[in-house]
Parts: sequence; C-alpha cells; structure tokens
Amino acid sequence: YGLTQPPSVSVSPGQTATITCSGDSLSRQFTFWYQQKPGQAPALIIYQDSQRPSGIPGRFSGSTSRTTATLTISGVETEDEADYYCQSGERNGLNELFGGGTKLTVL
Amino acid sequence: QAQLLQSGDELKRPGASGRISCKASGYRFSDYSIAWVRQAPGQGLQWMGWTSPQNGHSSYIQSLQGRLTMTTDASTATVVMELTSLDSADSARYWCARYSPFRGLDLWGQGTLLTVSS
Repeated sequence: YGLTQPPSVSVSPGQTATITCSGDSLSRQFTFWYQQKPGQAPALIIYQDSQRPSGIPGRFSGSTSRTTATLTISGVETEDEADYYCQSGERNGLNELFGGGTKLTVL
Repeated sequence: QAQLLQSGDELKRPGASGRISCKASGYRFSDYSIAWVRQAPGQGLQWMGWTSPQNGHSSYIQSLQGRLTMTTDASTATVVMELTSLDSADSARYWCARYSPFRGLDLWGQGTLLTVSS
C-alpha cells in the first residue's frame, strides 16, 4: 500500500505539467500537494484535493478521480522547477502518507 | 505572523537519543496538531506521526513505534520530538509542521539536521 508518483516530469516554459498520484485511499481521503525547492522546507500548494492556500498562483490546480489525484501546473514558469509530493491518509486513518515525489524539470 | 521555530542541528552517536523542539507562535496553539516529517539525504519525505496539544493524543507510524515520543508543553507552546536508539538510517532533516486533516501541513518549521555517526 502506498502513494505512487512518477519520478520525473519535464516540460518547457509555458506548457502544462501534469503530475499524478495513485493510491487506493485517495477515493476516501483528501489529497494534499507540496512543493519543495532545494534546501527549503516543503510548502503546501493544494489542500482538500483542489483548494489553493492564499498566495499560491492560480496556475496550480488539483483534482481527484477515484484512486488518482492530479496536480496540474498551467503555463509553467522556470521558478516552478522543484520536487512535488502528494500526501493523503493511511488506509487505517491513523496517520498520513507521502508519495515518493516527482521532480519537475523546466527545460 | 504564525511560525514554528525548531532547535538547532544535532550530532549523535549510534544508540543515543535525539530530541528536537518546535516552538509555535502567532496562532492559537491548541487549535492545531503538530506533525513531524523527516527527509534523509537525497530521499523523499517521510511522515513520522502527529500530536494534538488540545488533548495530548499522539499517533506514530508503525515503523517508529517504541522509539518515537512526542510531548507537549502547553505553557510554552512547544512540542518535543524524541527518537531513541538512533541508527545511521535516522540521519535526516526533521521538520515539525502545523497539521489538520482538512488543511494539511500548512506551516513548517525551518528544519533540524540530525546526524547519527560514530
């Protein structure tokens, strides 16, 4: 059991980046997304599947369908190059779990 | 503004215990739980567990049960994470973060590097 993400995604500036997160629990629990840049703490960019915290640009969006959650970055900018992690609840609901992370490269 | 301030980096010998503190300020401490997350060099994030300052309840991931303890001092709005019987595999950067099941981890500490080496 776990959350599966692609190890890497590459896009050119201005294109759309799509990062998926798959797991059985996603149909029953919220998904959260974090952005982590080198040497920094992760930062929350999506909560409750599709909500953006204040200050997060509108080009970041999230969605969930059955057992797959998707983070979409529209009009990617060079500053979006980072590692992205999904997070959701464990099957037993006692704790949370992170996906393995996806390195987004902006070519 | 709300912030979490962690204690400084630590070097520990194998078998020793490591303690990292996390002091909250700028928000009502009892309104949110505190979670701990770690990241070994070059690796992904690992959820360790969480604790509720409101009722003292804690929940740890199965692989760390028996070695991990989180304690709260409400008078100073501080949570202390203690990990015993340290091994080189515990060498990582550790973060505390403000946690709710509906808002996720929306506020992070600056991180503390724990190095376990003989």
